[in-house]
Amino acid sequence: GAVVSQHPSRVICKSGTSVKIECRSLDFQATTMFWYRQFPKQSLMLMATSNEGSKATYEQGVEKDKFLINHASLTLSTLTVTSAHPEDSSFYICSATLMNTEAFFGQGTRLTVV
Amino acid sequence: GDSVTQMEGPVTLSEEAFLTINCTYTATGYPSLFWYVQYPGEGLQLLLKATKADDKGSNKGFEATYRKETTSFHLEKGSVQVSDSAVYFCALSTQGAGKSTFGDGTTLTVKP
Repeated sequence: GAVVSQHPSRVICKSGTSVKIECRSLDFQATTMFWYRQFPKQSLMLMATSNEGSKATYEQGVEKDKFLINHASLTLSTLTVTSAHPEDSSFYICSATLMNTEAFFGQGTRLTVV
Repeated sequence: GDSVTQMEGPVTLSEEAFLTINCTYTATGYPSLFWYVQYPGEGLQLLLKATKADDKGSNKGFEATYRKETTSFHLEKGSVQVSDSAVYFCALSTQGAGKSTFGDGTTLTVKP
C-alpha cells in the first residue's frame, strides 16, 4: 500500500525553540494532508488540513501562528511548532489520502519540550 | 457535529477469546466508517472500512458491519492472539477518507 513517512520520530527541544516535523508521501502525490495531535491515552484531534500550494485550514482552537503548516509540494507537508512550551509536548501524526478513499498515516512524532 | 463513541477500555482477554469492541456514531449525511489499529509508539494503520450501509469490512480475522439503523460499526474477532494487543480506533468521515473524526480508542491486551 501507499506509504507516508514522518520525520523525526522523536524530538526533544528546549522551551522557546521551534521544531519542524516533515510528512512525506513516498509513492503517491497528495494534494491534501492532515495533521493530528494525540494526547496520552486519548484520541486523535484534527489540527489542520494542509493543501498543496495554498494556506492550511485550521480547526477551531488551533493557533495558526504557533503551528505553522507548509505544503510546498505534492509529496511534502511540514508542521513547525514555534516557540514550543512544555504543554506542546504530544504525539503528532500526519496523514495523506489516496484518491480520497483511504487515509495513510505517518508513524508519528513524539515531541517533548523541556 | 460528527462524533464517534467507542466502548471504554482497557479490555483484557485471554488468547483465543472472542472480541467485541462497540462503536456508535453520529453524523450528518452518509459517512464512511473505519477501524484503525495503533501499536505502541507507532502511527495508525487501517484495519478495515465500510462505505455504505450493510457493508462488511474484514481483515486479518477482524470484521465490522455498517449498521445504519443502529448507527453502529462494532469490531469483532472470533479468536484473538497476543499479537492483536494494541489500541483500536473507530472513525468516520463524511468528506472522503482524509478528514476523519475518531473515537477515544480502546486498548486491547491479550494474555497468553
